[in-house]
Amino acid sequence: EIVLTQSPGTLSLSPGERATLSCRASQSVSRDFLAWYQHKAGQAPRLLIYGASRRATGVPDRFSGSGSGTDFTLTISRLEPEDFAVYYCQQYGDSPPYPFGQGTKVEIK
Amino acid sequence: EVQLEESGGGLVQPGGSLRLSCSAVGFRFSDYGMYWVRHAPGKGLEFVSAISSNGGSIYYADFVRGRFTISRDNSKKTVYLETSNLRTDDTAVYYCVKDRIRWSGGFESWGQGTLVTVSS
Repeated sequence: EIVLTQSPGTLSLSPGERATLSCRASQSVSRDFLAWYQHKAGQAPRLLIYGASRRATGVPDRFSGSGSGTDFTLTISRLEPEDFAVYYCQQYGDSPPYPFGQGTKVEIK
Repeated sequence: EVQLEESGGGLVQPGGSLRLSCSAVGFRFSDYGMYWVRHAPGKGLEFVSAISSNGGSIYYADFVRGRFTISRDNSKKTVYLETSNLRTDDTAVYYCVKDRIRWSGGFESWGQGTLVTVSS
């Protein structure tokens, strides 16, 4: 089973700054089926990116995904107050189970 | 609008059982794979189980295999998670999730979750 490692564990930034989150897979992700989710306390997670780089419906264009194979990145170009949350990557290629990374918390500096 | 509503959570003693349900509206339920994901206090998201659109393919995370059973009733637009032999580390919010496409498209739509607390 693929293991996903996210870094950093916590990112302390100010509104307006750029956030760069990393997700590294223990083996190549099939068909680059890598997704990113945003999770705020008390709310359901939200799909942001699928297929490594495709924005889900309604996701602002300040969110972008890149990468392939084993190394993937989620970039938030300019942080808005509502973007402070925990972000998870997940691979969903091949057959389940579809593991998540351990998460990166983006907090206000 | 897609809506998923979980129910069936609650307080249960170690070794006990619960049946979680997820009712769906707003899409053709029988066309989509469905999943259960959990979020334990202070931990990250964990994939629990998956079931294909017709129920013919079923998968589990290692930590629930043999204890949890996923099923679906397409006529009732409902997916179930039968949990048994519950442990304290199964305490979590359990989310029902719809695939973005028929299968392997990403976890597009999530319910609000149902809390399962395993404690004596």
